[in-house]
Amino acid sequence: GDSVTQKQGQVTLSEDDFLFINCTYSTTTYPTLFWYVQYPGQGPQLLLKVTTANNNKGISRGFEATYDKGTTSFHLQKASVQESDSAVYFCALAPNSGGSNAKLTFGKGTKLSVKS
Amino acid sequence: EAAVTQSPRSKVAVTGGKVTLSCHQTNNHDYMYWYRQDTGHGLRLIHYSYVADSTEKGDIPDGYKASRPSQENFSLILELASLSQTAVYFCASTPTGPYEQYFGPGTRLTVL
Repeated sequence: GDSVTQKQGQVTLSEDDFLFINCTYSTTTYPTLFWYVQYPGQGPQLLLKVTTANNNKGISRGFEATYDKGTTSFHLQKASVQESDSAVYFCALAPNSGGSNAKLTFGKGTKLSVKS
Repeated sequence: EAAVTQSPRSKVAVTGGKVTLSCHQTNNHDYMYWYRQDTGHGLRLIHYSYVADSTEKGDIPDGYKASRPSQENFSLILELASLSQTAVYFCASTPTGPYEQYFGPGTRLTVL
């Protein structure tokens, strides 16, 4: 079945540091890939979404992720983090295969803590 | 603005008791989902539904039932709550796949 791997359980940075969160996936289809962000006490919300239709790259609120089919990766980056970016970040995959494309498979999440 | 609400927001239940978690969406979305979140496991799909009066098993359905009496409402039922079901539960909706899923604020369930 489909799977998403986030090896970093926790990342601690200082303000203005560069952020890189690793995400790799496994699927037999051409997937749609997502990054969700979850702030404390809230449900996850979409940060960005990428399909092969939008040049494999998504950008939102200074965050950027590129879908690399060759390495099956979808890493999240941000040039300069702020304390307000502290949250849990989830990588997720939706297969493009008929009715099952409404199901998302989530990674385990990466908790980002940014110190001022 | 998409809206998914959950009730209760927090609940303490006894082992062996029955627990019902409710979800309501005003998005006019076809799909609704129940996930549980545990530290170290991320979000895992329990049940989902794409039409009223029909539910589907997700990845971890054991010990849970679901009910979708209308397009707007989706319930998660624990007939015999167990300690291992202590977690935060999230409901979500989407018009169809693979679009954005809109999540509710979550229900923190503690089983004692």
